[in-house]
Amino acid sequence: AQSVSQHNHHVILSEAASLELGCNYSYGGTVNLFWYVQYPGQHLQLLLKYFSGDPLVKGIKGFEAEFIKSKFSFNLRKPSVQWSDTAEYFCAVNAHSGGYQKVTFGTGTKLQVIP
Amino acid sequence: GAGVSQTPSNKVTEKGKYVELRCDPISGHTALYWYRQSLGQGPEFLIYFQGTGAADDSGLPNDRFFAVRPEGSVSTLKIQRTERGDSAMYLCASSLQGRLNDEQFFGPGTRLTVL
Repeated sequence: AQSVSQHNHHVILSEAASLELGCNYSYGGTVNLFWYVQYPGQHLQLLLKYFSGDPLVKGIKGFEAEFIKSKFSFNLRKPSVQWSDTAEYFCAVNAHSGGYQKVTFGTGTKLQVIP
Repeated sequence: GAGVSQTPSNKVTEKGKYVELRCDPISGHTALYWYRQSLGQGPEFLIYFQGTGAADDSGLPNDRFFAVRPEGSVSTLKIQRTERGDSAMYLCASSLQGRLNDEQFFGPGTRLTVL
């Protein structure tokens, strides 16, 4: 069965610091990968996704993620965080071959950005 | 336009009671998903509807859980003989056609507390 590991449960950064959130998945076949974000008081929303092609994926608000197949990783990065990036971030993988999304989520990383 | 809505936002019930949680997807979306999110965890897949039919209900934990979508729009998640372990946030999401590349749009969730 597919699984997703997010090693950082709580990250605290100062504004303008660089961000990297780790995500590793376990599945040997073709995967689709996602990062979702939940801002305080808001719904879960898609930040970016990887399906195929360029392993460096750019999402909204300056976020990007790199798919490294050999490392089973899909780490999220942002060069300079802002206070408004304070949120919970979830990595997710779809390793299902049924032609539809059946994603498995990680446990999430809470990011706190200090002004 | 309106997003995914869920009612009620909070539900408190007693052990052994029956509850219904409602999801109104985005108009025109044929795919609908239910997830359960326990404290400190990511969302966990429960069931996927394509139109009126449950295409994948493999995530339902046991036969106390049931979901319907009789007209292919609104869906109801039904839990019989509730147990304290059922306490969680129940999330609904919809996507345009349920294809691999279709974005899932999440609702605000229903927080269920079983006393």
